[in-house]
Amino acid sequence: GDSVTQMEGPVTLSEEAFLTINCTYTATGYPSLFWYVQYPGEGLQLLLKATKADDKGSNKGFEATYRKETTSFHLEKGSVQVSDSAVYFCALRDSGNTPLVFGKGTRLSVIA
Amino acid sequence: DGGITQSPKYLFRKEGQNVTLSCEQNLNHDAMYWYRQDPGQGLRLIYYSQIVNDFQKGDIAEGYSVSREKKESFPLTVTSAQKNPTAFYLCATSGGDGAKNIQYFGAGTRLSVL
Repeated sequence: GDSVTQMEGPVTLSEEAFLTINCTYTATGYPSLFWYVQYPGEGLQLLLKATKADDKGSNKGFEATYRKETTSFHLEKGSVQVSDSAVYFCALRDSGNTPLVFGKGTRLSVIA
Repeated sequence: DGGITQSPKYLFRKEGQNVTLSCEQNLNHDAMYWYRQDPGQGLRLIYYSQIVNDFQKGDIAEGYSVSREKKESFPLTVTSAQKNPTAFYLCATSGGDGAKNIQYFGAGTRLSVL
């Protein structure tokens, strides 16, 4: 079945450091790919998405490119802030309104 | 105000008791989902419904039950058969056709055992 693998956390960075969170996937078809963010005690919010190969999703300084050849969707940000501290989830959906398949999440802590 | 409302925010269950978590949406979305979140395990799918009066089991349905009598509502009952119910429960919805549709999440209900 479909699956998503994310790098294990926690990740701790200093403010203004470069962030990469790796995400690879296995899917039978041509899935849409998503990054969600969860702040403490809250639900998940969509951060960005990409629906076909070579698409780049971007939002709030975060970017991820859909790489079909490497089945990857790595999340990057050039300069993190303390307010980016959260848990980040990579997810995919293969078709229709089937449930998203999530990775286990990566906790990011940014220190001033 | 459009969105997904989960209630209560905090819930306590006594031994042997069934409890029901509410999820209501006014987004006019057809599909609704329930996830359980435990520390370090990400999100696990409990049940989902793609249309009124129909629902499917997810990966960890044992000890849980749902109903979908109205488009707006998808309540989750945690039964006494669920021996380890302490977790954060998230409801989500999705509308339209196609895999590109976003799944929207409620703010969650935190369930603890007394």
